[in-house]
Amino acid sequence: EAGVTQFPSHSVIEKGQTVTLRCDPISGHDNLYWYRRVMGKEIKFLLHFVKESKQDESGMPNNRFLAERTGGTYSTLKVQPAELEDSGVYFCASSQGLAGIRQETQYFGPGTRLLVL
Amino acid sequence: AQKITQTQPGMFVQEKEAVTLDCTYDTSDPSYGLFWYKQPSSGEMIFLIYQGSYDQQNATEGRYSLNFQKARKSANLVISASQLGDSAMYFCAMREGRTGGFKTIFGAGTRLFVKA
Repeated sequence: EAGVTQFPSHSVIEKGQTVTLRCDPISGHDNLYWYRRVMGKEIKFLLHFVKESKQDESGMPNNRFLAERTGGTYSTLKVQPAELEDSGVYFCASSQGLAGIRQETQYFGPGTRLLVL
Repeated sequence: AQKITQTQPGMFVQEKEAVTLDCTYDTSDPSYGLFWYKQPSSGEMIFLIYQGSYDQQNATEGRYSLNFQKARKSANLVISASQLGDSAMYFCAMREGRTGGFKTIFGAGTRLFVKA
């Protein structure tokens, strides 16, 4: 079974440009999450989808970030316009949604390393 | 306030020895789950082990065990018989069952180096 995949693995863009990150969850997983780790800091939650609906977007830093999950399959995270502080590693995770909240295992992708110059 | 604290930025261990990675947490939610993830240099986050707040016994998964001390709010990861492939970044994480939704809260991580 394929794991969570993310594309691209790396992205280098200039400040003010737009970047779109893609995440393909494990097949059959209704829950999809985005996290990010900025330089040297903790991994922080961004948002949570259940199928195509945003369940919790409390971690989205500002309105320059837009996440979508059309059709409840893959998800995209767009940063427009990108700022220097957006540099970091963006992780996507997915889970089945069958277990309770506290024990639901989230499976992570390899991350997209974003560098904004 | 930091909810997950990993006080060891880096740890060294000799191959075949055991090592303990520390993790303390803070929550007022009586229902929570604790997780450990491994991140090798390739970048992917690998789930290692889970401990629920109501679990009476410490979780074990192969060479990994979780030393859960609820009163002290600690959830240390013990790796027995270290292997060179265990060199990686290790993250302790928590999910609060009643108040936190599905968001997972992570510590800053501990980088483990296994020496041959």
